[in-house]
Amino acid sequence: KQEVTQIPAALSVPEGENLVLNCSFTDSAIYNLQWFRQDPGKGLTSLLLIQSSQREQTSGRLNASLDKSSGRSTLYIAASQPGDSATYLCAVGEYGNKLVFGAGTILRVKS
Amino acid sequence: KAGVTQTPRYLIKTRGQQVTLSCSPISGHRSVSWYQQTPGQGLQFLFEYFSETQRNKGNFPGRFSGRQFSNSRSEMNVSTLELGDSALYLCASSALRGQGRTDTQYFGPGTRLTVL
Repeated sequence: KQEVTQIPAALSVPEGENLVLNCSFTDSAIYNLQWFRQDPGKGLTSLLLIQSSQREQTSGRLNASLDKSSGRSTLYIAASQPGDSATYLCAVGEYGNKLVFGAGTILRVKS
Repeated sequence: KAGVTQTPRYLIKTRGQQVTLSCSPISGHRSVSWYQQTPGQGLQFLFEYFSETQRNKGNFPGRFSGRQFSNSRSEMNVSTLELGDSALYLCASSALRGQGRTDTQYFGPGTRLTVL
């Protein structure tokens, strides 16, 4: 059974700092890995999708990497802003579009 | 393009009742998945439908069921509600590319179900 772990559980940083969120998974037989953000009481917003054959994806200030062999992914956020404050969720994709989620990292960026 | 829509947004029911939630995917998307989000268990996969067929199912009791219509809209039903069913129910749609390559899943705003 796939298990996804996210570290740290919570993070508070000053505005402008670069930061890294970590995600690990136990079964390397994945279709893809996605990073999402969730604002309080809201649905999920997709940030980046990495296919199982890829090593990384970039979008603006975000960069996500994937190392299937070691079961790890990282989300790098450059020059953090208060608007980046949210819960960040890592999810591995399995057959039939099933996503297995981690518990999330709560990020607070202080102005 | 309109996003994923879910109705109703909020729902209050009592134990023993049943409830039906609706999800309209992004136009052209044929895959719809459902998830339950609770503070204790996080996000958990319920089931996924593609072309009106359930392709995958999570570890939930048979009280949780769903279906998909020919226009890709999907409904989820929970019968004999229990207090523990109180949660945010999210649906997601995907374009679903060829085998071995999957597309981004886009989530709706969710339906907040409270069971009293």
